[in-house]
Amino acid sequence: QKEVEQNSGPLSVPEGAIASLNCTYSDRVSQSFFWYRQYSGKSPELIMSIYSNGDKEDGRFTAQLNKASQYVSLLIRDSQPSDSATYLCAVTTNTGGFKTIFGAGTRLFVKA
Amino acid sequence: DAMVIQNPRYQVTQFGKPVTLSCSQTLNHNVMYWYQQKSSQAPKLLFHYYDKDFNNEADTPDNFQSRRPNTSFCFLDIRSPGLGDAAMYLCATSRVGGYEQYFGPGTRLTVT
Repeated sequence: QKEVEQNSGPLSVPEGAIASLNCTYSDRVSQSFFWYRQYSGKSPELIMSIYSNGDKEDGRFTAQLNKASQYVSLLIRDSQPSDSATYLCAVTTNTGGFKTIFGAGTRLFVKA
Repeated sequence: DAMVIQNPRYQVTQFGKPVTLSCSQTLNHNVMYWYQQKSSQAPKLLFHYYDKDFNNEADTPDNFQSRRPNTSFCFLDIRSPGLGDAAMYLCATSRVGGYEQYFGPGTRLTVT
């Protein structure tokens, strides 16, 4: 069973701090990696996508991918209370068809 | 703005009474997905379409069916809803090739 694992949290950080969210995946041939933000009762919203090893920055968000270690992380700088949400990691693999597996998410609380 | 639309946003049905959920998209994406998400869980893929090519997940119950009459629309039919089918149902779209998925707002299904 191919899996995507995330710490369920909650992860609590003070306003202005860096929040670090981690995700590990089991399928070595996975090729596309995504972070989604999901507010309570709402649908997932794409935050970042990353396809190659290294860092990718977009505003306050940085995604980091290490395929050798099979982990992907999301850093949120200058965390705001509005960042409080569940963050879902998603991993796509092409094994005769593209298949995306979502993690169960990490709940983040940013304290004002 | 290009988007994914789901109707209704909230649906209440009685145990065993068929229900249909709808999804439409203006993104012109070839791939459409239906997910079921329960509280604090990862979205669970039920079906997806590459154009009109239907793909059923092995563990999707027979109680669930789907139709995609054209590129823009997709329907999820639940033939005989049980209490365990109460969940958020999410429609998503993407380009072919394992790219990011864009979600609609979801339909919250309650079974009484």
